[in-house]
Amino acid sequence: EVQLLESGGGLVQPGGSLRLSCAASGFTFSSYAINWVRQAPGKGLEWVSFISGTGGSTYYADFVKGRFTISRDNSKNILYLQMNSLTAEDTAIYYCARGPPVGIAMGAFDIWGQGTMVTVSS
Amino acid sequence: EIVMTQSPATMSVSPGERATLSCRASQSVSSNLAWYQQKPGQAPRLLIYGASTRATGIPARFSGSGSGTEFTLTISSLQSEDFAVYYCQQYNNWPLTFGGGTRVEIK
Repeated sequence: EVQLLESGGGLVQPGGSLRLSCAASGFTFSSYAINWVRQAPGKGLEWVSFISGTGGSTYYADFVKGRFTISRDNSKNILYLQMNSLTAEDTAIYYCARGPPVGIAMGAFDIWGQGTMVTVSS
Repeated sequence: EIVMTQSPATMSVSPGERATLSCRASQSVSSNLAWYQQKPGQAPRLLIYGASTRATGIPARFSGSGSGTEFTLTISSLQSEDFAVYYCQQYNNWPLTFGGGTRVEIK
């Protein structure tokens, strides 16, 4: 079964850091781009970051540039999101979502994880 | 940044009726438009990509149309499991952007 499973969420103080993980199974991980998407409580979906299948290309939403870093370990089939300088506005469920296969620059998100909750509060 | 605007924000529909959801882009996204369904407490699910292609396993009552800046998701005969929030998303330009969502509720 094709699956993505996030972990690493929790409660963190403002200004703190957190690293999220997304473990993939059931498909050739390195052949697909992966994205992070977040959803604040009661709000809509917000794209956060993208990484290509090789890890050679990354993109970020302006509101996380310089604070968040996306990376992947294709030998372990794991995606990461390192989040620094967190603020209350970063409180959300964070989803990883599979993007297009290698060779296609941009595409829809066909597989989603169940999400991990990040709460930034003192 | 391309702004995606969905309308209406909420619609009340009776089971068996047709629902038509709209999504407008602030500039052309060609056919690089997806629709997602999200139920409470669940992750989003891909319904439509390429503006009109149903994703794997999506029932034929869901259809998408449009190109450029105007898009429509139609649910031909609403079933009980279709009451949810629907989001459109453009993947033509960075940053990728979602619409604010349309909630389809039971009338």
